[in-house]
Amino acid sequence: DAEITQSPRHKITETGRQVTLACHQTWNHNNMFWYRQDLGHGLRLIHYSYGVQDTNKGEVSDGYSVSRSNTEDLPLTLESAASSQTSVYFCASSELQGLQETQYFGPGTRLLVL
Amino acid sequence: ELKVEQNPLFLSMQEGKNYTIYCNYSTTSDRLYWYRQDPGKSLESLFVLLSNGAVKQEGRLMASLDTKARLSTLHITAAVHDLSATYFCAVDDLGFGNEKLTFGTGTRLTIIP
Repeated sequence: DAEITQSPRHKITETGRQVTLACHQTWNHNNMFWYRQDLGHGLRLIHYSYGVQDTNKGEVSDGYSVSRSNTEDLPLTLESAASSQTSVYFCASSELQGLQETQYFGPGTRLLVL
Repeated sequence: ELKVEQNPLFLSMQEGKNYTIYCNYSTTSDRLYWYRQDPGKSLESLFVLLSNGAVKQEGRLMASLDTKARLSTLHITAAVHDLSATYFCAVDDLGFGNEKLTFGTGTRLTIIP
């Protein structure tokens, strides 16, 4: 079955370190998204991509970067981790089917920056 | 900038009762989504509402969309414990073919036996 996976599922790192979170989907979807979830803020969009070599900044992109070298993967990099980036990170993918474009979410990565 | 507001943020209700969650948004859009999240889990799609007046129903949940009022509602009928979760609405603000969702802050629903 097609799916979307994230790794690692849990990560503890130190301030200033570079961290990369992986996202892999097997639906062959063109659109992929990264969100962070914090109490009181719901989900906020970090970066998104509509296809290979396409990346766009979302609402809270400072301190994060992504690259899209193939359809299946959209890794999220924290260039220099900060305590404010402690959060739960969700990756999602979607594809237009008729008028409907539902996003399918990965299981999430819990990141703690000490 | 698109704003999406949900209310209430927290809702505790008894089994068997009816209640409604409201989702207001600040710009014109004709695509609205409802998601469910169980504690510690990912988000699961519930409904996609694609036009003014759209109504979708699944079991004890019914969602509707009024694009003129920029309002969507999620109505819970005769609540049962299994419906305890956090519910998010999300609005697509880039239109057809290039989806980019803005989420509400969520409504944490607790059903009390």
